[in-house]
This record gives sequence, structure tokens and C-alpha cells, in this order.
Amino acid sequence: DAKTTQPNSMESNEEEPVHLPCNHSTISGTDYIHWYRQLPSQGPEYVIHGLTSNVNNRMASLAIAEDRKSSTLILHRATLRDAAVYYCIPPGSGNTPLVFGKGTRLSVIA
Amino acid sequence: DSGVTQTPKHLITATGQRVTLRCSPRSGDLSVYWYQQSLDQGLQFLIQYYNGEERAKGNILERFSAQQFPDLHSELNLSSLELGDSALYFCASSERAWSTDTQYFGPGTRLTVL
Repeated sequence: DAKTTQPNSMESNEEEPVHLPCNHSTISGTDYIHWYRQLPSQGPEYVIHGLTSNVNNRMASLAIAEDRKSSTLILHRATLRDAAVYYCIPPGSGNTPLVFGKGTRLSVIA
Repeated sequence: DSGVTQTPKHLITATGQRVTLRCSPRSGDLSVYWYQQSLDQGLQFLIQYYNGEERAKGNILERFSAQQFPDLHSELNLSSLELGDSALYFCASSERAWSTDTQYFGPGTRLTVL
């Protein structure tokens, strides 16, 4: 299974963009990168996923490096509601479900 | 609201006891996943069911068992409870069984073993 590396914590000012990095140097060519987040006292929620090119949705953007060894989740304007633990997750092989690591705890300062 | 429901929200019990946690997936989802989240271990995958059949197994103890019923709801049974079993237990569901499928998580059941 591919492994990921994320910073333990990051801090951002409200209304500023946030770039959350993830290294996944062992990812295979067909592995999607998923991002989930977990708000305090809630279950994880899906944020975005991608394979090779950059992806955008209403919550965030995902920039995937050309060599696919790293990706960056971009929150364009952080709000206090975005304070959460963000998980970068490559899937396991075949049908193996997602494996959550420690994630990055994002703090947003007003 | 993810559409996944879990009951009960909180459960307090004693060591050695047995409890059952219940999960109702989103309408139309065939896969159900169970996760355990404790302070020191993070979010650990326990087991997955797809359309009533066990699909994948993670770090699930032999004292724990699960099943998915014909109406697709699932139950996680925890027996001979130990203090270390105190944790948040999350259920998630997805439409199919592929690793690329988005998982939708319920609000969790907080289990406290005294």
C-alpha cells in the first residue's frame, strides 16, 4: 500500500488561502489521491479526490504534481469552519478501503 | 448531514460486557464500513461489508464481529469489553465497493468502558 506524509499541524489566518501538502512517493500509477477532513466532534467528510490533473470543487482545489509523488490541497479562503484535521489518503490495492493516517491539524485564526 | 445514521450516540458500560452498535447507510449505498478512533491510534479501519457479504477486514479484534442485514443496515458487536475499547466508533457507507468510492461517515458512537 502507498504511504503518505503530511505535516502534523498548520496554522492559517482567516480569509487567507491555505496550502496543505502531502507526499505520497510510493503511489502507483492508478491510485487516486483522496482528501477527507474531520471537524471537531464529527465524523470525517469527503473533500476531493484526483488521479493526475488538478481538480476543483466547491470545497477546495487539488493540485497533483506531474510525477504524482506529492499533492497539495488548496483552500482558497480559510474560514473558522475549516479548522479540522485534513487527511491525505491513497487507496490501498484493489478493493482495500481507505487507510487514514494522522493527518494535518489545521488551525484558523480570526 | 451525510445521510448515515448511527445509534446510540453514547454508550457507557462496564468491562466484560457486550454491546451492539447500529448503522444505517445512505439510501442506495451497498457498502458499509466500520472504523474505530481512539486518541492514541487515530482512525482505524475495522471491517467492510458489501451487499450483505464481508468484503475487507482490517484491524478488527476477535472479540468484535459485524454483519450487514438484507435491508443493508449493519451492526457491530463488541464483546468481553476492555478499558482499551473505549473509543469513537464510526460507520461509513459508499455506493459500491471500490477504493475510489467516496465514503460518507455517520456521526459516530462514543463508547466508554468503565
